Amino acid sequence: DTAVSQTPKYLVTQMGNDKSIKCEQNLGHDTMYWYKQDSKKFLKIMFSYNNKELIINETVPNRFSPKSPDKAHLNLHINSLELGDSAVYFCASSQGTSRAYFGPGTRLTVT
Amino acid sequence: TQLLEQSPQFLSIQEGENLTVYCNSSSVFSSLQWYRQEPGEGPVLLVTVVTGGEVKKLKRLTFQFGDARKDSSLHITAAQPGDTGLYLCAGRNRDDKIIFGKGTRLHILP
Repeated sequence: DTAVSQTPKYLVTQMGNDKSIKCEQNLGHDTMYWYKQDSKKFLKIMFSYNNKELIINETVPNRFSPKSPDKAHLNLHINSLELGDSAVYFCASSQGTSRAYFGPGTRLTVT
Repeated sequence: TQLLEQSPQFLSIQEGENLTVYCNSSSVFSSLQWYRQEPGEGPVLLVTVVTGGEVKKLKRLTFQFGDARKDSSLHITAAQPGDTGLYLCAGRNRDDKIIFGKGTRLHILP
């Protein structure tokens, strides 16, 4: 059984479009995250969502908005996509101080 | 420019020792978070402190928020190799923005 799943795995879209990436975890964890991995393989935290508290990295443009319909889901919606948004986006979850479990990633390509 | 200064930048100690790392600013934060990032992975949220003077304990980790909500400390008792990682603090300021420190890289020697 997949612990953290993301859809789609690949997403190719044009500049200016709006797109969403979905994330689900079946581990019963209380915290979920979105990370962006750039071309240098550096993981940058975008959001963490814990017990209904959303923590946003200030460097993330407000075109990015996380939405959590319930504890097991944290979706990422992106408005007005730009070329610089091209990256691999990882969803993850954790419980307390335990390690984070990562999803397989979504490779976003903006043309 | 608001800054969160973390100290020390690097710390290498023997297993079993105690240590404290600090997160300081001249600005007031409505809340402050601590994260741990292990090599090759993203940061994981450890704790959120909200009230000035608040102390939270997670097993061997003790977090304290300063009375003026401008600083915080993380104390680890009897450090273990599994504590190795990058410890980041992040504060939410009055403009509701999150500011990250540059982190303390901790290495526990077995």
